Amino acid sequence: AQKITQTQPGMFVQEKEAVTLDCTYDTSDPSYGLFWYKQPSSGEMIFLIYQGSYDQQNATEGRYSLNFQKARKSANLVISASQLGDSAMYFCAMREGNNRLAFGKGNQVVVIP
Amino acid sequence: DGGITQSPKYLFRKEGQNVTLSCEQNLNHDAMYWYRQDPGQGLRLIYYSQIVNDFQKGDIAEGYSVSREKKESFPLTVTSAQKNPTAFYLCASSIVSKLPGSASTYTGELFFGEGSRLTVL
Repeated sequence: AQKITQTQPGMFVQEKEAVTLDCTYDTSDPSYGLFWYKQPSSGEMIFLIYQGSYDQQNATEGRYSLNFQKARKSANLVISASQLGDSAMYFCAMREGNNRLAFGKGNQVVVIP
Repeated sequence: DGGITQSPKYLFRKEGQNVTLSCEQNLNHDAMYWYRQDPGQGLRLIYYSQIVNDFQKGDIAEGYSVSREKKESFPLTVTSAQKNPTAFYLCASSIVSKLPGSASTYTGELFFGEGSRLTVL
C-alpha cells in the first residue's frame, strides 16, 4: 500500500508567488518523521525541511514551511516568494519505526518569470 | 569536504553482465541506503544498512546485492537477474540516534550522492 501520496499534476507558479505542495501519508506508527526533498534536473536530492510526529510547532526553514495537520495525516510544503531556482521535482518522504524512508512520487514545479 | 561519492556517474552494461556501483561516505554516518528512481517516479528502496556487516532488503531487492564491510562503503551490485536494470541509482546515508532512555533508534535526514545512471544496451 502506498504510504506517501502526492497527486498534484505539474504546477506552474509565477515568480515571487507562494506555492503549496500537497502530501498525505499513511501510518499506524505513533512515532514518525516527515521530510521534503528537492530534486533539480541535475538529479541530486536536496533536503529541505523535517517535521517530527511529536513536534508541536510547524517546521520552518527560510522560505520553506511545513503545514503539518496530524489528524488529517497531511504534511504540505509551502514555498514562499518563489524563485526561478525553485523549479524542480519535490518529494515528500516519511520515516517510520524501522528507520526506512518511503518516498512519494513527487510534484513537478516550474517557476515562470 | 564531507559528503557522499557515487561512481561511476554513467554506466553502460550489456545484458547478462553484473555491474557494481560504488558509494563512499566520509560523514561518519552509521546508516546507508540504496534507492532506485525510474523516469517520472519517486524513489524506491533497494537495500539499507544501519550498521557494519548488517543490511536489510528494501521493497525491490530482487536482482540486487550489497555488502557493508566498512562503515564508509556500501557498494551495490546489479546482477543479471535484475530484469529491468536501466534506472537512476541514488545512495544515501544518515545518522542513527538513540531515543533517551530507550533502546529504540531513529535516523535523521538522508544525505544523498549525485547518483549513478545505469543503461542496459
